[in-house]
Amino acid sequence: DQQVKQNSPSLSVQEGRISILNCDYTNSMFDYFLWYKKYPAEGPTFLISISSIKDKNEDGRFTVFLNKSAKHLSLHIVPSQPGDSAVYFCAASAPGAGSYQLTFGKGTKLSVIP
Amino acid sequence: DSGVTQTPKHLITATGQRVTLRCSPRSGDLSVYWYQQSLDQGLQFLIQYYNGEERAKGNILERFSAQQFPDLHSELNLSSLELGDSALYFCASSETGGRTEAFFGQGTRLTVV
Repeated sequence: DQQVKQNSPSLSVQEGRISILNCDYTNSMFDYFLWYKKYPAEGPTFLISISSIKDKNEDGRFTVFLNKSAKHLSLHIVPSQPGDSAVYFCAASAPGAGSYQLTFGKGTKLSVIP
Repeated sequence: DSGVTQTPKHLITATGQRVTLRCSPRSGDLSVYWYQQSLDQGLQFLIQYYNGEERAKGNILERFSAQQFPDLHSELNLSSLELGDSALYFCASSETGGRTEAFFGQGTRLTVV
């Protein structure tokens, strides 16, 4: 049972336009969400996070939106740059005894076309 | 460079064998996590150690075990290897065991033939 779903395996966007990556989750216990970016032959790199007490978090060109009622979050990248081309993973965690057990989606490969 | 070092980067071994993957966390990080990424799968949480003690366990097979040593480096031992164990194995570390950002290593690509 996949608790975190990224239904789009890939996405192509023109440079300068907005990239929107989507993520759905099923576990209502999740209260902390993260996005990681991964380049080939590298480990995932933390991008941005959001707690369930917020519905938006912004960091430069990256904004994450959380819709708790729909169990949906999205990552917006504006403007998109060729260097943003990577695989983006959505991850979630539930409150626990100090653990950092992340449940990851399968990823969305973003290609930004110059 | 995340500061997390994993060795080896690549490993090819035969079915039935045993291998050990090594992880050195970032300086000062007490928590180490192991994840497995199989083909077409997201990262699957295996196990977490905090300051030498097992803190959380995920989908880790009984043939797999891990430990964290006093110097905080960690090893993941995979035994009786099967073809399906071929995957990327990532180690991550964080300062505490709580809701802090984790830093991932480059991973070890294990191929079982």
